[in-house]
Amino acid sequence: GESVGLHLPTLSVQEGDNSIINCAYSNSASDYFIWYKQESGKGPQFIIDIRSNMDKRQGQRVTVLLNKTVKHLSLQIAATQPGDSAVYFCAENGGGGTSYGKLTFGQGTILTVHP
Amino acid sequence: DSGVTQTPKHLITATGQRVTLRCSPRSGDLSVYWYQQSLDQGLQFLIQYYNGEERAKGNILERFSAQQFPDLHSELNLSSLELGDSALYFCASSVDPGSHTYEQYFGPGTRLTVT
Repeated sequence: GESVGLHLPTLSVQEGDNSIINCAYSNSASDYFIWYKQESGKGPQFIIDIRSNMDKRQGQRVTVLLNKTVKHLSLQIAATQPGDSAVYFCAENGGGGTSYGKLTFGQGTILTVHP
Repeated sequence: DSGVTQTPKHLITATGQRVTLRCSPRSGDLSVYWYQQSLDQGLQFLIQYYNGEERAKGNILERFSAQQFPDLHSELNLSSLELGDSALYFCASSVDPGSHTYEQYFGPGTRLTVT
């Protein structure tokens, strides 16, 4: 049949607001998680990562929260700016062994920041 | 600029043809990863090489193959192309998948259009 594009979740915020982007991951063996930002026409760009032995990690204007009990990851962006408009992907590594380094990406969330 | 380069930027070819995509990793990075990004499948891991050897494989079609050369650049070969192979192909690199971080740096991608 005819294929359809992914229907990505969208989040629209006003400049200066805080943004929260959520992600549910699937593999309970994953011990490393990472957030990427992809602007139109560009490759994914690293934002922040977290290992499974942590619940929270902070970067510059960004915070990642990990809840292993419900397999949930979130990215918080403080004081969101128009330049933050992009597609945001979470990714997991599926555990160690020979698959380490192999990232499984979520479907992505479109963030639009209005001036 | 991530430091990862990919050529060509755009490629238009016909069904049944064969193409080669090229990637140069960041200086010092030993691992190279290939991903396919399409509208209906999102960002999918294809294959990983570490220091010239295949390290991990994703859902890579048998018509696709890759290699990493002694100078660490990598090539992704796509043969017997089908319309459904039209996608963005990204290369990423990292220092060592067994290091303290799995951070992968993505190139700008090659947009393949099969007509």
